[in-house]
Amino acid sequence: DAKTTQPNSMESNEEEPVHLPCNHSTISGTDYIHWYRQLPSQGPEYVIHGLTSNVNNRMASLAIAEDRKSSTLILHRATLRDAAVYYCILSDNYGQNFVFGPGTRLSVLP
Amino acid sequence: KAGVTQTPRYLIKTRGQQVTLSCSPISGHRSVSWYQQTPGQGLQFLFEYFSETQRNKGNFPGRFSGRQFSNSRSEMNVSTLELGDSALYLCASSPGPDREERYGYTFGSGTRLTVV
Repeated sequence: DAKTTQPNSMESNEEEPVHLPCNHSTISGTDYIHWYRQLPSQGPEYVIHGLTSNVNNRMASLAIAEDRKSSTLILHRATLRDAAVYYCILSDNYGQNFVFGPGTRLSVLP
Repeated sequence: KAGVTQTPRYLIKTRGQQVTLSCSPISGHRSVSWYQQTPGQGLQFLFEYFSETQRNKGNFPGRFSGRQFSNSRSEMNVSTLELGDSALYLCASSPGPDREERYGYTFGSGTRLTVV
């Protein structure tokens, strides 16, 4: 399974942008990049996904490097509700083996 | 629409007993996956079901099993419980198991199992 590497923790101030990095140097050409987040006492929640092009939705933006070996989840204006563990995940050819790493624990300071 | 429903929310069992957890996926979702979450190991994939068939299985002992019914509801069973089985068990559903449909992966709030 292709693996991802993320920083253990990051801090941000409220209403500032946050850039959460993810390295996936062994990604294959057909792997999708997914981001999920887990708020305290809840199951993970889908944030965004992409293959090659940058993606935007109402929650966040996903910037994918040209060589696809890294990606960045961008929260444009962090709020206290964005404090969570953020997981970067790759899906293999058939969408199986969704492997969660330790993720990045994001703290948002008021 | 209703989300993924897991029952019960909390459970306390004694070592050696068995337990059955239930998951009702979002209406129309046909794929159900189960994960175990512990502080030490994080989120670990248990198995995935689609059309009542197990499509994929994680690296867990045979004491962990599951099944899916014709209405897509799923159950997982753990036999001969060990203290280390104490964890949050999460169920996730998606429209289907293929890569293009994976973005619809919706998790329930989980069942917190404590083995004493």
